[in-house]
Amino acid sequence: DGGITQSPKYLFRKEGQNVTLSCEQNLNHDAMYWYRQDPGQGLRLIYYSQIVNDFQKGDIAEGYSVSREKKESFPLTVTSAQKNPTAFYLCASGTAYNEQFFGPGTRLTVL
Amino acid sequence: GENVEQHPSTLSVQEGDSAVIKCTYSDSASNYFPWYKQELGKRPQLIIDIRSNVGEKKDQRIAVTLNKTAKHFSLHITETQPEDSAVYFCAASQFSNDYKLSFGAGTTVTVRA
Repeated sequence: DGGITQSPKYLFRKEGQNVTLSCEQNLNHDAMYWYRQDPGQGLRLIYYSQIVNDFQKGDIAEGYSVSREKKESFPLTVTSAQKNPTAFYLCASGTAYNEQFFGPGTRLTVL
Repeated sequence: GENVEQHPSTLSVQEGDSAVIKCTYSDSASNYFPWYKQELGKRPQLIIDIRSNVGEKKDQRIAVTLNKTAKHFSLHITETQPEDSAVYFCAASQFSNDYKLSFGAGTTVTVRA
């Protein structure tokens, strides 16, 4: 877990703003994931990437975008099209054996 | 796609007693079943996992059992301690199928002192 970092820890967004959440890993994992967690709820998959320059939509991709230009990095942009973005965002990286390890998370609040 | 159901949603146990959480899955091709523990405000942490070629796996006070025929798996925590209080998530996936995990909704475990 120590090899996955997310920044910032807390993020505040105004209405109509795009914001980007950072996720970096030094575990040499090919796969990376973004999840959203609402209070008292489970984990919902937003986007995932198995290799550099390729990514797929998860279950709730609308209003989000990602890029995977480097193996170590998988930033998530929350666009103004996401109408209810307040949530806890978790990034994970995964091994070829499907084990996933999570970063510390970013708590996003809309003002 | 895979659908994972988790029961119970909340579980309260006396310190020292055992706790059992059960999950069922829908896709018979699933072959990897991890369990995560999430303390309040923290990240989920992988605590134990099992693959379909194994029926049971233990690690100190925690164990996981898998019944492939019935498509269910369970987490067992023995001699519970206050630090076991957390939300536990089960998940299932197919090895080499998009590397995606399908998560259960979670079980909030409270250990009463």
